Amino acid sequence: GAGVSQSPSNKVTEKGKDVELRCDPISGHTALYWYRQSLGQGLEFLIYFQGNSAPDKSGLPSDRFSAERTGGSVSTLTIQRTQQEDSAVYLCASSLQRGAYEQYFGPGTRLTVT
Amino acid sequence: GIQVEQSPPDLILQEGANSTLRCNFSDSVNNLQWFHQNPWGQLINLFYIPSGTKQNGRLSATTVATERYSLLYISSSQTTDSGVYFCAVGKVGNEKLTFGTGTRLTIIP
Repeated sequence: GAGVSQSPSNKVTEKGKDVELRCDPISGHTALYWYRQSLGQGLEFLIYFQGNSAPDKSGLPSDRFSAERTGGSVSTLTIQRTQQEDSAVYLCASSLQRGAYEQYFGPGTRLTVT
Repeated sequence: GIQVEQSPPDLILQEGANSTLRCNFSDSVNNLQWFHQNPWGQLINLFYIPSGTKQNGRLSATTVATERYSLLYISSSQTTDSGVYFCAVGKVGNEKLTFGTGTRLTIIP
C-alpha cells in the first residue's frame, strides 16, 4: 500500500515569508508525528497528533511554528516569518495508533530559507 | 529526557565484512526502532524491536531492555548497505521517538 507522502519535496523561501508543509499519513493510521533533521540538531521531535488533537506540542521551537490535522488524516505544518535557522528537512511519520507502535516516515520536505 | 547514544559514530568496512552497531539508552522504553537513512534522506524501517531478537536476511537485531541497549548486526556487507543507521526509542507514556546521532557506515568495494 501507499506509504507516508509529503509535499513539496523541496521548498526555497525568502526570510520572513510563511511556508506550509503537507503530510499524508498511511491510510488508517490514527497517530501522526512531525520531526525535523538539521545539521546541528540531528533528528528532533516537533509535534504529535492523535486523531485531530495534538496532545504533545513540546518540540515546536517557537510560536512561529504551528500545525493542524483535519479529518484525522492530512496534516499541515506552518512556519510563519521564516528564519535561516528554520532551514532543515521536515519529516512526517505515522503509526497505527498512539503508544508502542512502529512509526513509518515520509520522504521529507527540504526547506531552505535564503 | 531520555538519552540515546550510538557507537561507533563512523565505520568503514570492506565489502563482505560483518559489523555490529550499538545503541545505549538511559531509561525504560516501550518502543525501539532501527532505521537506515539512504543517500536520498529516506528513513527505511529495519526493525521494530523493544525487546528480544529479530532477523531479516543479512540483518539482525537484539534488544536487552533490562540492560538498556540494542545491537544491530549486518553480515556480508554490500555497498548498498552504506548510509547512516539510526536507533530511536520511545518511553512509556510518551509517543515521540528520541533519536541517537547515528552511525555512518561506508562499505568499500
